[in-house]
Amino acid sequence: DVKVTQSSRYLVKRTGEKVFLECVQDMDHENMFWYRQDPGLGLRLIYFSYDVKMKEKGDIPEGYSVSREKKERFSLILESASTNQTSMYLCASSYTGSGANVLTFGAGSRLTVL
Amino acid sequence: QKEVEQNSGPLSVPEGAIASLNCTYSDRGSQSFFWYRQYSGKSPELIMFIYSNGDKEDGRFTAQLNKASQYVSLLIRDSQPSDSATYLCAVRPSWALNFGKGTSLLVTP
Repeated sequence: DVKVTQSSRYLVKRTGEKVFLECVQDMDHENMFWYRQDPGLGLRLIYFSYDVKMKEKGDIPEGYSVSREKKERFSLILESASTNQTSMYLCASSYTGSGANVLTFGAGSRLTVL
Repeated sequence: QKEVEQNSGPLSVPEGAIASLNCTYSDRGSQSFFWYRQYSGKSPELIMFIYSNGDKEDGRFTAQLNKASQYVSLLIRDSQPSDSATYLCAVRPSWALNFGKGTSLLVTP
């Protein structure tokens, strides 16, 4: 089974801090995604990447950046954390060649910004 | 705006009944459609996906797709208390999935 591992399950940061959320997948998937999930708003796409060093903005990229230096790793960066970035962050990966291109999610990282 | 709409619920059904979950989408270019289940505090997990108009069955689950009406549904037969969760409809217009906000399902013993 594909495993998507998010480095931190819970994080507490202060306003203005730089925050790194790391995601690693172990099945050689080309595509990786970062979503955030908030009550009443559902899952919203922040950024995705379809290849190493490639990135595309999703629906809510403001305040975030990403890095994909290696195929298995996709990092989400909050340059200067703000309280409205308190959320559950979900990383996912998928394999284009599978046809369905099914997303497999990590366990999530719950970030609280004080 | 690529909308995926679901009733938030909660949808309450008795154990053993059929639960019917519905979803509409706005992007006519969407090619594939997914149902994910999410238990409280957990990440979404795939139940099934469907490409073509009609029904697709997998165990107790049946996905139904009508592209002309831009409508996809999920039927859960013989509902069990363990099916109580939030069900997310997702649509793929391009690389990433657009998700609905989910329907909360409660199966009562």
